[in-house]
Amino acid sequence: SQQGEEDPQALSIQEGENATMNCSYKTSINNLQWYRQNSGRGLVHLILIRSNEREKHSGRLRVTLDTSKKSSSLLITASRAADTASYFCATRNTGKLIFGQGTTLQVKP
Amino acid sequence: GAGVSQSPSNKVTEKGKDVELRCDPISGHTALYWYRQSLGQGLEFLIYFQGNSAPDKSGLPSDRFSAERTGGSVSTLTIQRTQQEDSAVYLCASSLSGSIDEQYFGPGTRLTVT
Repeated sequence: SQQGEEDPQALSIQEGENATMNCSYKTSINNLQWYRQNSGRGLVHLILIRSNEREKHSGRLRVTLDTSKKSSSLLITASRAADTASYFCATRNTGKLIFGQGTTLQVKP
Repeated sequence: GAGVSQSPSNKVTEKGKDVELRCDPISGHTALYWYRQSLGQGLEFLIYFQGNSAPDKSGLPSDRFSAERTGGSVSTLTIQRTQQEDSAVYLCASSLSGSIDEQYFGPGTRLTVT
């Protein structure tokens, strides 16, 4: 079963705009991770935020975590056409990752 | 260095046949995971190997599914008597340890059961 929900399910923006995706989860976690998937194949790890962290940055990515609300957000700033992909949050508790349903992002050039 | 590799990349099989999917993790990674991604179910955890510990099989959907990891490296996921609902992309991942590390995914095997 899935750990949580992501919204929106689909997002379409113009190049240069910011994209925000949200993720909610149900149980306690060690950390929360965001992954990107192109063309329905392998996933690429983007960023990991630990349960005792509230915000983390990596390049154009900003992730926040609110453990009291069991939610996280991923912000991609100054989006590019190459950012077009599906984005998944995943929570890790006892080793395995539990994924959300994902957000499909389309960045129009 | 080399990433996680999986073979075959695509597999078409007839209903009722057995299939074996292979995963070669990153050298030195002690943890290995199998996931399944299908249209209706999203990404599902199947099984997790960590070193010499007993694997976490809690995600295997039925007793037709099994996996082994030989010598702490290569893993094989076996599906017996395949059904059409087994059609999915099977993803393998590895991580340096089984604690909190990020996971590195292979390109997946697309299984189609006709």
